[in-house]
Amino acid sequence: SQQGEEDPQALSIQEGENATMNCSYKTSINNLQWYRQNSGRGLVHLILIRSNEREKHSGRLRVTLDTSKKSSSLLITASRAADTASYFCATDDYGNNRLAFGKGNQVVVIP
Amino acid sequence: GAGVSQSPSNKVTEKGKDVELRCDPISGHTALYWYRQRLGQGLEFLIYFQGNSAPDKSGLPSDRFSAERTGESVSTLTIQRTQQEDSAVYLCASSARGRQSYEQYFGPGTRLTVT
Repeated sequence: SQQGEEDPQALSIQEGENATMNCSYKTSINNLQWYRQNSGRGLVHLILIRSNEREKHSGRLRVTLDTSKKSSSLLITASRAADTASYFCATDDYGNNRLAFGKGNQVVVIP
Repeated sequence: GAGVSQSPSNKVTEKGKDVELRCDPISGHTALYWYRQRLGQGLEFLIYFQGNSAPDKSGLPSDRFSAERTGESVSTLTIQRTQQEDSAVYLCASSARGRQSYEQYFGPGTRLTVT
């Protein structure tokens, strides 16, 4: 069953602003991953945070994980038009060999 | 190096026909996954292959769906007697590690349209 549920579903921001999106999940996890999907490059892995980590950075991306609340957030700083895409969180459950993807956040960055 | 490739990129078929979708994973990746993505939706897990182990078929929606993988290389997803609700993008992904789902590398997908 789908675990990740991103919030908000759609976000429209001006170039240079920050974009924040959230994801919640239901069961214990090994790790949580964020992926980006756009028409040009398909689905691309952005960042992975393990269950024993609380925060992780990669370039302009900042991910937090709160296992007590079973939630994660993805922050994109200083957004660019090229960041326009759908962003999915995916959880890796204990005992499963698969990722459970959320429905995605659509982010539009206006130049 | 080369990424995950899928063929065909687009497939239009009539209801009731069988279709076969192909995935070439990244060389050396032992794990291979098939997902389905309906318009505006997230990814729905279909099937997982890990080396020579029995595949995890628990995501296949019906017995019209089947998949095979030859060793640690090419995989084919077959949909028999296609229905309109099968219309979706079918994505294949491979990973260097199978047991714990580390980063997955996705192919561009096959867009299937059943008329």
